[in-house]
Amino acid sequence: QKEVEQNSGPLSVPEGAIASLNCTYSDRGSQSFFWYRQYSGKSPELIMFIYSNGDKEDGRFTAQLNKASQYVSLLIRDSQPSDSATYLCAVNRPSGGSYIPTFGRGTSLIVHP
Amino acid sequence: DAGVTQSPTHLIKTRGQQVTLRCSPKSGHDTVSWYQQALGQGPQFIFQYYEEEERQRGNFPDRFSGHQFPNYSSELNVNALLLGDSALYLCASNYGEGRTFGSGTRLTVV
Repeated sequence: QKEVEQNSGPLSVPEGAIASLNCTYSDRGSQSFFWYRQYSGKSPELIMFIYSNGDKEDGRFTAQLNKASQYVSLLIRDSQPSDSATYLCAVNRPSGGSYIPTFGRGTSLIVHP
Repeated sequence: DAGVTQSPTHLIKTRGQQVTLRCSPKSGHDTVSWYQQALGQGPQFIFQYYEEEERQRGNFPDRFSGHQFPNYSSELNVNALLLGDSALYLCASNYGEGRTFGSGTRLTVV
C-alpha cells in the first residue's frame, strides 16, 4: 500500500462545477496535510493546509480532513479552466522520531469550458 | 521579494559523473528541503536542512548529499550518477509549515 494515494485521473469537470479531489494516507500517525497545485512544466504551489478534523475554507477551495478514515479531500467550487492542473496531496508522515513530507502522485484536473 | 531560486535550470551529465545543484531560499525562510520528481510522479523527499545540519532524510542512498550555508542557501550533490537519477530536482524553503518551491533543475543523465 502506498503511503499517500491519489487517483491519477484525469478528472474532467465542466466550467462552474465543483471539482472533488481525494487522497488517502496509510500512516495513522500522520500530521499536517497539504494540497499543492502544479501546472504542467511548473513547480508545485501551496493551495492550503489543514491540521484538524473538519473543513477549512479559503476562497473557492475547501479542504476536508477525516483522520479516522485517513482521507483528505479538496473541493474546488465554481471551477475555471485556469484550475486545470495536477493537484498533489502531501502529508507529514512519522519517520524515525520526526515527520517527513510525503506526496501522492497527483490527480490531473481538466476544467472544460 | 525574490522567491526560491535554483540553478542551473537544465543540466545534462554523463553516467558516473557528479553534479551540484544550488538553491537560494525565499527571504525570511531558514529551512531548505530537496525533492526529486520523476515524470508523472509526485515529488519525493530527499532531505531537509536547518541551521546548517541535515535534520531529516528520505529514502535516498548516500550518493545524495547536501549542505546548507550560513546565509541559508543550500546545495544538493549527487555522486556516481545513474540513468535513473534523471528527474526534476526541486528545492523548497519554509519558515514553519507550507513550503515554497523553486522552479527546479531538470537533470538529464545520459
